[in-house]
Amino acid sequence: KQEVTQIPAALSVPEGENLVLNCSFTDSAIYNLQWFRQDPGKGLTSLLLIQSSQREQTSGRLNASLDKSSGRSTLYIAASQPGDSATYLCAVIMDSNYQLIWGAGTKLIIKP
Amino acid sequence: EAQVTQNPRYLITVTGKKLTVTCSQNMNHEYMSWYRQDPGLGLRQIYYSMNVEVTDKGDVPEGYKVSRKEKRNFPLILESPSPNQTSLYFCASSLASHQPQHFGDGTRLSIL
Repeated sequence: KQEVTQIPAALSVPEGENLVLNCSFTDSAIYNLQWFRQDPGKGLTSLLLIQSSQREQTSGRLNASLDKSSGRSTLYIAASQPGDSATYLCAVIMDSNYQLIWGAGTKLIIKP
Repeated sequence: EAQVTQNPRYLITVTGKKLTVTCSQNMNHEYMSWYRQDPGLGLRQIYYSMNVEVTDKGDVPEGYKVSRKEKRNFPLILESPSPNQTSLYFCASSLASHQPQHFGDGTRLSIL
């Protein structure tokens, strides 16, 4: 059964730093991997989607990489800002049934 | 504006009193899904619907019912709520199961 793990569970860094969030999964038979952002009291916002055949995707200050064979993805945030404070979730869609399997998230705090 | 709308956003109720959480999308999406989010566990799928009149169980369907009589609506029904159903619930929709999902803002249920 697919398991998605995100480490660390929480992270606090000063404004301006570059940082990396990690996501690992146990079953490499995925259709794609997505990174989401969750703000308190709000729904989930899709940040980046990487198809299984791709290695990375970029959007502004965000870069997500995927190494399917090793079961890992990273979300790189450049020049962090207080507005980046949120919980970041990764999720994989399985090849077999297109079910979305989620990690528990990393709570990120950017200190001004 | 394209959106997924859930109601209510917050509800405190008592054990055994039937309740319904409504979900409506205006994007003509085929696929809709319900998730619950609990601390440290990530999101878990309750039920999903590939199209009108087609619904299937997710990972944690016990204690829940759904219906899909119209494409735009996918209500979640708790016939006899219990305290272990206290959680944050999200409805989502997408063009197809493997496409990126759009999420509602969430419904926080407290069952006393």
